[in-house]
Formats: sequence, structure tokens, C-alpha cells
Amino acid sequence: GENVEQHPSTLSVQEGDSAVIKCTYSDSASNYFPWYKQELGKGPQLIIDIRSNVGEKKDQRIAVTLNKTAKHFSLHITETQPEDSAVYFCAALGRGGATNKLIFGTGTLLAVQP
Amino acid sequence: DTAVSQTPKYLVTQMGNDKSIKCEQNLGHDTMYWYKQDSKKFLKIMFSYNNKELIINETVPNRFSPKSPDKAHLNLHINSLELGDSAVYFCASSQTGDYGYTFGSGTRLTVV
Repeated sequence: GENVEQHPSTLSVQEGDSAVIKCTYSDSASNYFPWYKQELGKGPQLIIDIRSNVGEKKDQRIAVTLNKTAKHFSLHITETQPEDSAVYFCAALGRGGATNKLIFGTGTLLAVQP
Repeated sequence: DTAVSQTPKYLVTQMGNDKSIKCEQNLGHDTMYWYKQDSKKFLKIMFSYNNKELIINETVPNRFSPKSPDKAHLNLHINSLELGDSAVYFCASSQTGDYGYTFGSGTRLTVV
């Protein structure tokens, strides 16, 4: 079945440094790749997404890159701040019979040290 | 103004009991989902409804029964609760053609 692998599982950076989280997916038909941020006690929140016809997308300090040939995509956060500390999930849209479903990676706990 | 709201936020119950979790969205989306997040934070889809019709039913024990009275509501009923059902359950919604999901804040279920 569809599978999304995510690395690293934990990441600790100093405030102001960059953070990179990487994911690989198995379903070559996947065409939508969102990233979610989950803060403690809250639900996942969409922070950025990319579709398969685009190689890179940027929104202020966050960017996502996609390599369809290699079936991997990455989240880049620059100038990290303590409020960026959270669990980040990548996901890929997989086929669920007649419809689509998001398959999530296993999450990355990002800790930004002041 | 909450877009996707779940009730209750916390649920503590004994093994063998039956419980329900309710979800409502005011975004006008036509598709709703239930996801389960285990203790290791892994998010796994359980069910999906599109315009009140069940379209995704993953390998979930039949003790779990979703119900969608209309496209703005999706409830989850769980019979004969087991210790392994303890988890955080998230409701989400999306609109056909726009893949972004909006999640609720979750229901933490603890079975003792």
C-alpha cells in the first residue's frame, strides 16, 4: 500500500538556524504533498503544500521542494524561532478506491533552542 | 467561529463501555474524515464521508461505526471500548478538488 517515510524523527536546532525535514513516498500517482504543523494539544494545521507540477514553493521562512523522479520532498525552515517548535508531518495524497486520502509521515519533533 | 469542532475534548471511560464523539464543520466542505493518532503521534485514516456517503473505510474493527447525518456532521460511535482504543481522534474536512484538510482540535480518549 501507499507509504510515506519521514526523517528525522527529532530535530534540535539553535534559534536562527535552518531546519530541513525530508520525506519519501511510494505511490508514483501521488500529486499533492502538504506539510502540517501540530502544536501541543492541538490538531495538525496546514502550513504549506505543493503539487506535482511544481518543483519548489516558498512562503516567507518556509519552503518545500519536490523531486518527482526520486519521489521525495522536503520542508525547509529558515531563521528558526522558538515558536516554530512543534511536530511537523508531511503527507502525500494517495488513492483510496474512488477517492483520495492523505497518507501521513511519522512526524518530526522540531525543537528550536533560544 | 471554529471551523472544525469536536466534542468532547477529553473522554475517560472504562473498558466495555460505548461512547460517541461528535464533529461539525462550518466550512461548507463536502468531505469529512476521522483520523486516529496513537501514542507515537502516527496519524492514520479511519473513515471518510463525501456528501453523507461512506467512501473510505480502512481496516478498522467493526466496533467503530461512523455516521454522517448531513455533510456538515460526522460522528464516531465506539462499542465495547478496549484499552488499545486509547488515542487522540481527529476529525477533518476538505472540499472535492481542493485537497487541503482542515483538522479539528482532537478528542483524547482514555480507556481504563
